[in-house]
Amino acid sequence: GNSVTQMEGPVTLSEEAFLTINCTYTATGYPSLFWYVQYPGEGLQLLLKATKADDKGSNKGFEATYRKETTSFHLEKGSVQVSDSAVYFCARYGGATNKLIFGTGTLLAVQP
Amino acid sequence: DGGITQSPKYLFRKEGQNVTLSCEQNLNHDAMYWYRQDPGQGLRLIYYSQIVNDFQKGDIAEGYSVSREKKESFPLTVTSAQKNPTAFYLCASSTVNRGLSYNEQFFGPGTRLTVL
Repeated sequence: GNSVTQMEGPVTLSEEAFLTINCTYTATGYPSLFWYVQYPGEGLQLLLKATKADDKGSNKGFEATYRKETTSFHLEKGSVQVSDSAVYFCARYGGATNKLIFGTGTLLAVQP
Repeated sequence: DGGITQSPKYLFRKEGQNVTLSCEQNLNHDAMYWYRQDPGQGLRLIYYSQIVNDFQKGDIAEGYSVSREKKESFPLTVTSAQKNPTAFYLCASSTVNRGLSYNEQFFGPGTRLTVL
């Protein structure tokens, strides 16, 4: 089927630690892929995206590479900050209706 | 400032009552969306509209209704037929440019509905 699977949280890290949140997808073809971030009590914001295979999306120190061989789009950051504490959603483009298909979200808690 | 507003931020409803959640955007976007967010389940699409006076069911439309009489407004009614309405509801909007592989969706701050 067409779905997005991301690692369950919560992920708890100390400040300046390295972050990886895994995301894999199933789809026919090569859909655009996204990471959204949701800070406490707020809506979602687009963090980064990649629209074709081998693209790397990056923003605010976060990166993710579209890997078609492994159908993955893992989110990484070299040094997390307390202000990065949020829920992170992986998503893929769902087709002509502009629908988004979301993963279940991963809560990241960064401790000082 | 351009953006999407949702009101109210918190909403309480007695079981058996209908309630309408507001969503307004001044981004001049053609498309609008309603999602429901539950813990551990991510976001699920309820309804979406790509043009005024037209809308389609998403993945979990049962127990919900919408209208799109104006481009900037897309209210969602949670009816008494929705069996488990307590959730966080998010509205989004986007352009509709069929030449692109994706049109970024912009989200509102959400409304938390609690059924008592």
